[in-house]
Amino acid sequence: DAKTTQPTSMDCAEGRAANLPCNHSTISGNEYVYWYRQIHSQGPQYIIHGLKNNETNEMASLIITEDRKSSTLILPHATLRDTAVYYCIVSSASGGYQKVTFGIGTKLQVIP
Amino acid sequence: EPEVTQTPSHQVTQMGQEVILRCVPISNHLYFYWYRQILGQKVEFLVSFYNNEISEKSEIFDDQFSVERPDGSNFTLKIRSTKLEDSAMYFCASSSGPPVVSYNEQFFGPGTRLTVL
Repeated sequence: DAKTTQPTSMDCAEGRAANLPCNHSTISGNEYVYWYRQIHSQGPQYIIHGLKNNETNEMASLIITEDRKSSTLILPHATLRDTAVYYCIVSSASGGYQKVTFGIGTKLQVIP
Repeated sequence: EPEVTQTPSHQVTQMGQEVILRCVPISNHLYFYWYRQILGQKVEFLVSFYNNEISEKSEIFDDQFSVERPDGSNFTLKIRSTKLEDSAMYFCASSSGPPVVSYNEQFFGPGTRLTVL
């Protein structure tokens, strides 16, 4: 699986958009970009994934650059409950399963 | 909304004792996983399980560990002789199988905090 690079920590004001960057310059053609988050002391939570098109769901938007070497997770209106560690993960989708390899992630602090 | 459940939420045991951590995956899921997270460290993959057998395991998952799906709903992780370094949060996860195999959304449980004294 390709390696990802994320900032260690970020702050965001409550109500503002949180933009979390991720670099994955060695991503290969069949690898997806996944985002998970882990709120303190809870299990990781899937947020969104994408291959090359931008994606949006009820939680977030995922913007992937045209060369697929980086992506940005956008939480449009951050709330205090969005304070968590956010993990950007690149993984192939072959087979019916794939272990999730977590890095250190970005610790997002939403400030009132 | 369906969710993965785990019991107990906290388990305290003496070194050398056996523990069994229990998980109930989402009912129509076919792939099951165990991860652990030592306090302050990354979430680490332990094992994946499909069709009643281990699909993949990490270096952490040595002979002291075993997994089982004893019935149609439970998925268990057994540690035969616990060590101090097994103290961690253990997360169970599950994901759907065919026909959705093009991506890997895993649903995680709330975790069991294992404390080995």
